[in-house]
Amino acid sequence: DTGVSQDPRHKITKRGQNVTFRCDPISEHNRLYWYRQTLGQGPEFLTYFQNEAQLEKSRLLSDRFSAERPKGSFSTLEIQRTEQGDSAMYLCASSVGQGRRLQLNEKLFFGSGTQLSVL
Amino acid sequence: LAKTTQPISMDSYEGQEVNITCSHNNIATNDYITWYQQFPSQGPRFIIQGYKTKVTNEVASLFIPADRKSSTLSLPRVSLSDTAVYYCLVGDRSNSNSGYALNFGKGTSLLVTP
Repeated sequence: DTGVSQDPRHKITKRGQNVTFRCDPISEHNRLYWYRQTLGQGPEFLTYFQNEAQLEKSRLLSDRFSAERPKGSFSTLEIQRTEQGDSAMYLCASSVGQGRRLQLNEKLFFGSGTQLSVL
Repeated sequence: LAKTTQPISMDSYEGQEVNITCSHNNIATNDYITWYQQFPSQGPRFIIQGYKTKVTNEVASLFIPADRKSSTLSLPRVSLSDTAVYYCLVGDRSNSNSGYALNFGKGTSLLVTP
């Protein structure tokens, strides 16, 4: 099963440190999304890529958050100078999409997420 | 911006049919309605999607009335493994340049017991 893969599954870090998460989407999927989920809440959209182009990043929570997808395959999400409020599950999803605009009828395939704990 | 309202939680016994209703009074003409399921420590999983009337697949049925202001996810004969959070999604056009941002809301937490 070549689903969406995320690494690491768990990350514990100290406040002020930088962290980077990796996502490997389903191979033929051209769109890749990052979400954040806190306890008791639904996933919150952060950013998305179509191939290597980051077409939406206004939802990134602050300038400490950045994401890349340099070759249109895997993606990384980096959080600089982590804060305790960054503790959450970070989810990656991928899909096959046409055009440059997100469509609601796209079906997203999610990974199991990276659980970040900032001490 | 089409917001959704779902019950926070529901309880059911094994073998019963469960219906979860989602209200989306401001749904736009070209919005689809999509449901996802999420187990603890996993990402959401697509269940079903529809635009109008009824859609059925091997997992669930989705009923959408003519005015499309609500939808009902129907899970037949639930088992313990159906215990999960169920999310209803419709359009979120908060950024018209990028299309829809697919936000999930808080969902409905379904607990199935023996």
